[in-house]
Amino acid sequence: QVQLVQSGPEVKKPGASVKVSCRASGYNFSNYGISWVRQAPGQGLEWMAWISVYTGNTNYAQRLQGRVTLTTDTSTNTAYMELRSLRSDDTAVYYCASDPRYGGAFDIWGQGTMVTVSS
Amino acid sequence: DIQMTQSPSTLSASVGDRVTITCRASQSISRWLAWYQQKPGKAPKLLIYKASSSESGVPSRFSGSGSGTEFTLTISSLQPDDFATYYCQQYYSYSFFGPGTTVDIK
Repeated sequence: QVQLVQSGPEVKKPGASVKVSCRASGYNFSNYGISWVRQAPGQGLEWMAWISVYTGNTNYAQRLQGRVTLTTDTSTNTAYMELRSLRSDDTAVYYCASDPRYGGAFDIWGQGTMVTVSS
Repeated sequence: DIQMTQSPSTLSASVGDRVTITCRASQSISRWLAWYQQKPGKAPKLLIYKASSSESGVPSRFSGSGSGTEFTLTISSLQPDDFATYYCQQYYSYSFFGPGTTVDIK
């Protein structure tokens, strides 16, 4: 079964960091990219970043550049998204997504991870 | 960055209605556009890729068209399961989503 399974909810204080994991199964993880998309409560989808698992190349949304880092571990088929210097407006559901069949259109999504930033 | 807009932002419709949602890109994206359906508390679901190609298992009442900067998603006969929010996404340059269109019950 092709799926992405994400880590559980997180509560963080402003200024802290969070690292969310995304474990892939059912397809060749190393051959494709992983993107991260977030959705603040009641808001739309915001693409954050992408990593090529094969090359390690990354692209980051300009507004998050410098605060987000993507990594992967091919031994466990897991991708990670770390977001630093958290602010209250980083409170959102964070999704990982992949596009093994359609090169850019995300046909596989994780279940989402709620990250709450609150003092 | 390529910006995406969608219209309308909200659409009230009845079961059986034909529904059309428009998505516009700030510059040409050829046909590198996808459509997603999202229901509350769930991850988005891919409906259409490359502007007009249907994802496997998506009902035939969903169709996409367009190229360049203007695209449409059409639901030929709205069903109860179709009340949801729809997003377009360009993947020509990085990836950006439109703001979404919520289809609710009239």
